[in-house]
Amino acid sequence: DGGITQSPKYLFRKEGQNVTLSCEQNLNHDAMYWYRQDPGQGLRLIYYSQIVNDFQKGDIAEGYSVSREKKESFPLTVTSAQKNPTAFYLCASKSAVHHGYTFGSGTRLTVV
Amino acid sequence: AQRVTQPEKLLSVFKGAPVELKCNYSYSGSPELFWYVQYSRQRLQLLLRHISRESIKGFTADLNKGETSFHLKKPFAQEEDSAMYYCALSGASSNTGKLIFGQGTTLQVKP
Repeated sequence: DGGITQSPKYLFRKEGQNVTLSCEQNLNHDAMYWYRQDPGQGLRLIYYSQIVNDFQKGDIAEGYSVSREKKESFPLTVTSAQKNPTAFYLCASKSAVHHGYTFGSGTRLTVV
Repeated sequence: AQRVTQPEKLLSVFKGAPVELKCNYSYSGSPELFWYVQYSRQRLQLLLRHISRESIKGFTADLNKGETSFHLKKPFAQEEDSAMYYCALSGASSNTGKLIFGQGTTLQVKP
């Protein structure tokens, strides 16, 4: 069963903590993306990676970091430098051939 | 600047009424436009894209380059159409695959 898996579904973070959100895909897609979804603001691009061992900043990269050591995995770390991390985070992947993204089910991060 | 605008946060219609979700874009090159839908408790999924000129679940969307619009239409709304809809844009010549999303419109179809 091919798809994208994000974990955990819910995550609570204390002030000053770094947390890592997992995103794994078995679709053999080269490109992967992280978006942040806030009410009334749509989806905003945090980071993206078109190939293993390479990634680029999106529109709101400050306070976040990523890695792409394997084609299947694109974890996102929300650092303590991110001032307003409470949000819904979506991971997506895209094949080189077909248009359109495949999305994960998302992780809801809450700062407590 | 590249931008996608969905002017309506919420669109509420009765079952059987026509629906039009508006989407306007700003892009200097040749764009590819998409509509994504997010039903309650489901993941975001592609509804349709302008290149394929298809009709999915009774929805259609035509790219109007003169008006820089890509409105989503359905002649008769159904209750199961209630969802959040996002319009998105990608550069046709872009090799990054980045999508720029609008703010989203919640469609509420009342019985």
